[in-house]
Amino acid sequence: DQQVKQNSPSLSVQEGRISILNCDYTNSMFDYFLWYKKYPAEGPTFLISISSIKDKNEDGRFTVFLNKSAKHLSLHIVPSQPGDSAVYFCAAMGNSGGSNYKLTFGKGTLLTVNP
Amino acid sequence: DSGVTQTPKHLITATGQRVTLRCSPRSGDLSVYWYQQSLDQGLQFLIQYYNGEERAKGNILERFSAQQFPDLHSELNLSSLELGDSALYFCASSVSGSGETQYFGPGTRLLVL
Repeated sequence: DQQVKQNSPSLSVQEGRISILNCDYTNSMFDYFLWYKKYPAEGPTFLISISSIKDKNEDGRFTVFLNKSAKHLSLHIVPSQPGDSAVYFCAAMGNSGGSNYKLTFGKGTLLTVNP
Repeated sequence: DSGVTQTPKHLITATGQRVTLRCSPRSGDLSVYWYQQSLDQGLQFLIQYYNGEERAKGNILERFSAQQFPDLHSELNLSSLELGDSALYFCASSVSGSGETQYFGPGTRLLVL
């Protein structure tokens, strides 16, 4: 049962344009959401997070939007740069019983930004 | 650099063997988490420790165990290794382990032959 889903395995955009990465979740107990970026042979790097009490959080070129009613979040990168090319993981956490604060990850989206 | 360190970076071993992976959390972080990333399963939570005590368990096999020491470093012990245990093992840390951002180490790549 995949509680966090990233339905697009890959995304390709031109440098300077907007990248939009999407994530859906099924567990209504999730209340904190994070995006991580991962390069090959490295650990996931934290990018940005959002609490369920907000619908938007912005940090420089990165903005995360949360639509709780649709159980959907998205990461916008504007403008996209070639160095943004990586795998992006959506993750969620919340009060889910015995493993309250574990992160549940999506399978990731490979973003390629073309010069 | 997240401040979380993991050793070794790579490990090659044979089926039936036992290995120990080591993690040092960021300075000031009391909680350590272990995750496994395999090709088909993605990143899966294994276990969490907070200040030396086990706090939460995920999909961790009985052949696997972990502990967190007084200096807050953690070790993940994998025994009776099988081919299917080949994966990337990540450690993450956070300040209190209560719903805040987790920062990941570079991982240990385990190959069981």
